[in-house]
Amino acid sequence: GENVEQHPSTLSVQEGDSAVIKCTYSDSASNYFPWYKQELGKRPQLIIDIRSNVGEKKDQRIAVTLNKTAKHFSLHITETQPEDSAVYFCAAGDGGTALIFGKGTTLSVSS
Amino acid sequence: DTAVSQTPKYLVTQMGNDKSIKCEQNLGHDTMYWYKQDSKKFLKIMFSYNNKELIINETVPNRFSPKSPDKAHLNLHINSLELGDSAVYFCASSQDVATGYLQETQYFGPGTRLLVL
Repeated sequence: GENVEQHPSTLSVQEGDSAVIKCTYSDSASNYFPWYKQELGKRPQLIIDIRSNVGEKKDQRIAVTLNKTAKHFSLHITETQPEDSAVYFCAAGDGGTALIFGKGTTLSVSS
Repeated sequence: DTAVSQTPKYLVTQMGNDKSIKCEQNLGHDTMYWYKQDSKKFLKIMFSYNNKELIINETVPNRFSPKSPDKAHLNLHINSLELGDSAVYFCASSQDVATGYLQETQYFGPGTRLLVL
């Protein structure tokens, strides 16, 4: 079955810096890669996703890149703000089963 | 934005009891899911269900069973609760997942925090 590895497990940055979180997946059939943000005590919420037919997607300060050959995808947050502090999860899906999540990255943005 | 709702929000119970968690979605989605988030924040799929198929994660004990009275509801029933069942349980939903098609976005409920004493 699919296995998703996520790094780093914790990430601390200064406000205004960029943050990068990386994930690798094992199943070449996976074709959907969402990123979720989970604030303390809240539900995971989708912030951006990418499908296997594109290599990059951007939404304001957030971007995701996908390298299908290497089976890895990354989340890039630019100009980080304290409200970006949360746990971020990557996930992979193949269109036929539920999502397989990475173990999460705790991002701390200090002002 | 309570498109996916769960009750109760908190559940404290004794070992050995049987309990249920309810989930409802008003998005018109065909597929619903249950995830378990443990103390290390790891999100793990337990079940996915639509009106055609129930897919069970093989690691889920058979004390856990999903029950769907209709397309908008997927409840989770847990028998003989154990200490290790303490976790946050999230319900989620998405449009129907058809094999071979690109996967649809999943929307999560607010979670149910279960504590087994």
